[in-house]
Amino acid sequence: DAEITQSPRHKITETGRQVTLACHQTWNHNNMFWYRQDLGHGLRLIHYSYGVQDTNKGEVSDGYSVSRSNTEDLPLTLESAASSQTSVYFCASSESSKSPLHFGNGTRLTVT
Amino acid sequence: AQTVTQSQPEMSVQEAETVTLSCTYDTSESDYYLFWYKQPPSRQMILVIRQEAYKQQNATENRFSVNFQKAAKSFSLKISDSQLGDAAMYFCAYRSPFRNSGGSNYKLTFGKGTLLTVNP
Repeated sequence: DAEITQSPRHKITETGRQVTLACHQTWNHNNMFWYRQDLGHGLRLIHYSYGVQDTNKGEVSDGYSVSRSNTEDLPLTLESAASSQTSVYFCASSESSKSPLHFGNGTRLTVT
Repeated sequence: AQTVTQSQPEMSVQEAETVTLSCTYDTSESDYYLFWYKQPPSRQMILVIRQEAYKQQNATENRFSVNFQKAAKSFSLKISDSQLGDAAMYFCAYRSPFRNSGGSNYKLTFGKGTLLTVNP
């Protein structure tokens, strides 16, 4: 069965370090998204991509970057981790604009 | 930009009873999609139900149904015969089908969620 996989499931890092969260989907979807989930804020969009070599900023993109070199993967990089980036991160993909998003199981990131 | 509002941070219901979760949204578009997602303690995001704005008929999935009021921009979720497994955070979400020149809007915009407790 097709799926979307995030790794790691949990990560602890120190302030100032570069961190990369992986997202891999086997749905062959062009559309991929990164969200962060924080209490009281719901899910907020960080970055998204509509295909290879396409990336776009979401509403909370500062301090994050993504790259899309193939259809399956959209890694999320925190250039210099900050305590404010402690959160649960979700990757998602969809087939089209009419389709719901398929979510990964999330990565809990703690920045100390 | 579209916004989604869930005015009930927490709700509770007795097992086997019915509960309704509220959601309102703001948009200038006439065509769009609305979703309810469930997030149990496992953290997994599970699609519960979807509604297409151009369809007047309210969507139904087993014990889950929606009351879609397009003019009022309201999209409430009704859970009938509540079960212990329904306990979760519920998110309402809006999605535009349009890809505007100023930036694509295929993305989902979420409300802040409603935490549902089911009492035995």
